[in-house]
Amino acid sequence: DAGITQSPRHKVTETGTPVTLRCHQTENHRYMYWYRQDPGHGLRLIHYSYGVKDTDKGEVSDGYSVSRSKTEDFLLTLESATSSQTSVYFCATCGAPTGELFFGEGSRLTVL
Amino acid sequence: GENVEQHPSTLSVQEGDSAVIKCTYSDSASNYFPWYKQELGKGPQLIIDIRSNVGEKKDQRIAVTLNKTAKHFSLHITETQPEDSAVYFCAASMLGGTSYGKLTFGQGTILTVHP
Repeated sequence: DAGITQSPRHKVTETGTPVTLRCHQTENHRYMYWYRQDPGHGLRLIHYSYGVKDTDKGEVSDGYSVSRSKTEDFLLTLESATSSQTSVYFCATCGAPTGELFFGEGSRLTVL
Repeated sequence: GENVEQHPSTLSVQEGDSAVIKCTYSDSASNYFPWYKQELGKGPQLIIDIRSNVGEKKDQRIAVTLNKTAKHFSLHITETQPEDSAVYFCAASMLGGTSYGKLTFGQGTILTVHP
């Protein structure tokens, strides 16, 4: 399994506060992703990165930003958290060309 | 963009029975169709995948079939065991370029296998 560590694993915050979730990988995979998981929606892509400093938007990117300054780290930032961003967030990596995604254990975020 | 529909949302079977989960996709350009299993409190894990140049793929008790014309694909689990109980997700994407890992997932199926 790819070594993917997410932090924090659980966070409760208030509406309007900034939040940063961190993903750290040890597999030197080029591609990294942030997905959110909500009941009835499966997993939806927020942002992804195809290399250091190369990022792009996914399906549900509004209200989120990302940064990738090193191969191993991919940060997801909620500039001003809203209750609709209460979710479980998963980081994943991909060691192309197989296309297989390796997921972290998830970060549960509650916005009150 | 791609849209993936997955059915059923819940599936309950007796140990030893077969289970079938079905998905449809909308984008004919999609060429990669993985299935992920998610156990409670964990991230999804790939269990099997199929590419558009193949109609069927088997791995022990698990098989996936793909009908490109109808744009649907299915997961078949035979001789189910209690440890098969989990949430299963289908997904679709187009491999290549910067598209690696840009999966569109179905809504998920909660499979319960009763001993």
